[in-house]
Amino acid sequence: GAGVSQSPSNKVTEKGKDVELRCDPISGHTALYWYRQSLGQGLEFLIYFQGNSAPDKSGLPSDRFSAERTGGSVSTLTIQRTQQEDSAVYLCASSLAPATNEKLFFGSGTQLSVL
Amino acid sequence: LAKTTQPISMDSYEGQEVNITCSHNNIATNDYITWYQQFPSQGPRFIIQGYKTKVTNEVASLFIPADRKSSTLSLPRVSLSDTAVYYCLVGDPQGAAGNKLTFGGGTRVLVKP
Repeated sequence: GAGVSQSPSNKVTEKGKDVELRCDPISGHTALYWYRQSLGQGLEFLIYFQGNSAPDKSGLPSDRFSAERTGGSVSTLTIQRTQQEDSAVYLCASSLAPATNEKLFFGSGTQLSVL
Repeated sequence: LAKTTQPISMDSYEGQEVNITCSHNNIATNDYITWYQQFPSQGPRFIIQGYKTKVTNEVASLFIPADRKSSTLSLPRVSLSDTAVYYCLVGDPQGAAGNKLTFGGGTRVLVKP
């Protein structure tokens, strides 16, 4: 596609339920990033993928969070047993290569609300 | 880990120049400095990137002193539509391929009529 696509754009769930957030990066982009942004706050790094592997998982807030990427393309961020503090916008970004001089292209995010 | 420090907010008026300075004392030799702009309900958007001295594009200028421990984003003649949050980004100086690209808290710029 022309840009990074995220789905759903909005997700409302009940506390304790599992959710899956999807990111479809720009075709050909090998690097993929997940960030979390709470209301009025900056971007919190969650996880980074180079191809299908995730060399850096240190940003995941707890073991309830996991992510995978298949075929070097689509990525899924899964949150198990959601809590109210998980409510935030989850942003995905991709870049041609995992270097600091590569532009990040962001999707519009998934607004997650945990009731 | 690279850490950036920016002012939390800045107010300006239409037609004025806005300068936002970002401190990044731990910047690594190979790191570039990148600025992003974020409007409400959108993901951040690339504005400008530089390594040293000065970079200019159709949107902004980026000034980087010789020691590279800071950088200044300059927005010329701002308009109301430039109201946004601006993020300074540098890479993880301990990282190789696969950097943890860490954003700072951002600067909220409010342009008033």
